[in-house]
Amino acid sequence: QKEVEQDPGPLSVPEGAIVSLNCTYSNSAFQYFMWYRQYSRKGPELLMYTYSSGNKEDGRFTAQVDKSSKYISLFIRDSQPSDSATYLCAMLETGGFKTIFGAGTRLFVKA
Amino acid sequence: DAGITQSPRYKITETGRQVTLMCHQTWSHSYMFWYRQDLGHGLRLIYYSAAADITDKGEVPDGYVVSRSKTENFPLTLESATRSQTSVYFCASSKRTESSYEQYFGPGTRLTVT
Repeated sequence: QKEVEQDPGPLSVPEGAIVSLNCTYSNSAFQYFMWYRQYSRKGPELLMYTYSSGNKEDGRFTAQVDKSSKYISLFIRDSQPSDSATYLCAMLETGGFKTIFGAGTRLFVKA
Repeated sequence: DAGITQSPRYKITETGRQVTLMCHQTWSHSYMFWYRQDLGHGLRLIYYSAAADITDKGEVPDGYVVSRSKTENFPLTLESATRSQTSVYFCASSKRTESSYEQYFGPGTRLTVT
């Protein structure tokens, strides 16, 4: 079993839809939870991060962490065609520097 | 230009050839990483480095060699390329902080081994 599991999709939604992306993990020592966005033929870029449990909001994006269930989510409100990309969850232990990445979910937002 | 660069961006080579992928960063970040990205596997860590002259294996190191004589450079060498090493390779760097949660990625090298 992988340390981080993420459904690869693809996920196709109409413009304006609410998108929910999810990951599960097995290592209870993870304390940093990140979401990276990767456009086609580009390197990943950090979108958001959360420390420990709770929610974090940034514009149309909300990241949620439920440590009791070992489950993290990224919500995208009012999705736009420009949100079409691969979204990778990633996790890190406190004091660590080796990030563990999920497989990535490909998202397509249709105009 | 500031940032992290990789060269070449595209490479086609034959089985058995030695290939070196270059990575250069201008931020003086302590940590540097090499990943390969394949469909269904996501990003897999090949090698990493905590500082100049300090390197260690990641999840999939077999068939690869790294060196880091200078902080800013972290080349990855495929000693004898195999078709299974056809992939997209990403170099990344991060700062030495309490927890280095943000990695900065290069644009990637798309390698095809025929």
